[in-house]
Amino acid sequence: GQSLEQPSEVTAVEGAIVQINCTYQTSGFYGLSWYQQHDGGAPTFLSYNGLDGLEETGRFSSFLSRSDSYGYLLLQELQMKDSASYFCAVRDPELIFGTGTLLAVQP
Amino acid sequence: DAGVIQSPRHEVTEMGQEVTLRCKPISGHNSLFWYRQTMMRGLELLIYFNNNVPIDDSGMPEDRFSAKMPNASFSTLKIQPSEPRDSAVYFCASSGTEVGQPQHFGDGTRLSIL
Repeated sequence: GQSLEQPSEVTAVEGAIVQINCTYQTSGFYGLSWYQQHDGGAPTFLSYNGLDGLEETGRFSSFLSRSDSYGYLLLQELQMKDSASYFCAVRDPELIFGTGTLLAVQP
Repeated sequence: DAGVIQSPRHEVTEMGQEVTLRCKPISGHNSLFWYRQTMMRGLELLIYFNNNVPIDDSGMPEDRFSAKMPNASFSTLKIQPSEPRDSAVYFCASSGTEVGQPQHFGDGTRLSIL
């Protein structure tokens, strides 16, 4: 079967760093993506890893290890506006989404 | 640039009625996706099209659901007859076909079947 596992909830304070992990088991793999979704909004693309290693985009970084079927999203200098759900998604070849991690940023 | 446009934004109807959801993808994108999101099941891919051709409809729950893409700028998702368990947020997304191309989501249609 196909599965993507990520923590259901994470809480952190403003200014801190938080890491959201994702492990996956899929029949195919064409890359790992991360999406952000604010409550009541649409998912928006954050990052894509096609190869092993770290991709950095501003305060957000994403990492992939294909041998471990593992990736993470790293959010630095947390802001209140980062409170949202974060989804990892594997291309297989279409996107399969994880169940999402609800990040709560506290003052 | 206009993003993915979905209509209606909200739909409330009684069970048994036909529901039609509409989507206009971003110009130049040749892949289009329909998703359903619920608390219980998360974000599920229902069907996707490449160059207006349905590629994978294995996520369509049952024969009551159908989707069409008559041209590159328009797609519909139809539910007939609708049932209360179809209540969900339905998202349309579009992207280019290259691996790694991000999917751009519309604002969704919040569907309530009474």
